[in-house]
Amino acid sequence: KAGVTQTPRYLIKTRGQQVTLSCSPISGHRSVSWYQQTPGQGLQFLFEYFSETQRNKGNFPGRFSGRQFSNSRSEMNVSTLELGDSALYLCASSGGGLNEQFFGPGTRLTVL
Amino acid sequence: QKEVEQNSGPLSVPEGAIASLNCTYSDRVSQSFFWYRQYSGKSPELIMSIYSNGDKEDGRFTAQLNKASQYVSLLIRDSQPSDSATYLCAVSRPPGYALNFGKGTSLLVTP
Repeated sequence: KAGVTQTPRYLIKTRGQQVTLSCSPISGHRSVSWYQQTPGQGLQFLFEYFSETQRNKGNFPGRFSGRQFSNSRSEMNVSTLELGDSALYLCASSGGGLNEQFFGPGTRLTVL
Repeated sequence: QKEVEQNSGPLSVPEGAIASLNCTYSDRVSQSFFWYRQYSGKSPELIMSIYSNGDKEDGRFTAQLNKASQYVSLLIRDSQPSDSATYLCAVSRPPGYALNFGKGTSLLVTP
């Protein structure tokens, strides 16, 4: 089974721009979660989608948004980028009732 | 607010020894407990999951859970230099809730 894929792997943007990141979950998985990882804050939960519905949301400003498509692929969008948004953005998919989450390779976002 | 606490380390153990990694959590409703391994520059990799009190063994790894004490640990037997990584403890409520991560313990296995 193919793992979780994320595109792009690396991204450089400037302040004020917006960015869209993509995630394809493991085949058959319907839940996709997004996390932000920084050296200072560690892994922080952004949001989780299940069957195209946002089921849970973390404590991030409204500039961070996401969606899920009928094929379970998910995108997250960050608008009006700030320097502090520089981070590794990780997507994880889950397919069972035990909430085991499997991570993709991540997208490294640098905001200049 | 959730808290998952881990000693940041680094924890240094000689090759062949047992590495013991610990994690405490504050949310008593937590039902699922996970250990992830993260190599530098890579994404977290799930290595163990545990859901009920007691021990769960998988190869060289043993996860231990004590819900009364709100404590979960990971033992790595016969540690190898390739085990050198950051180990992240994650805790969650029922499915659909976020994984709450500790900040990780850095493990260094010296030859």
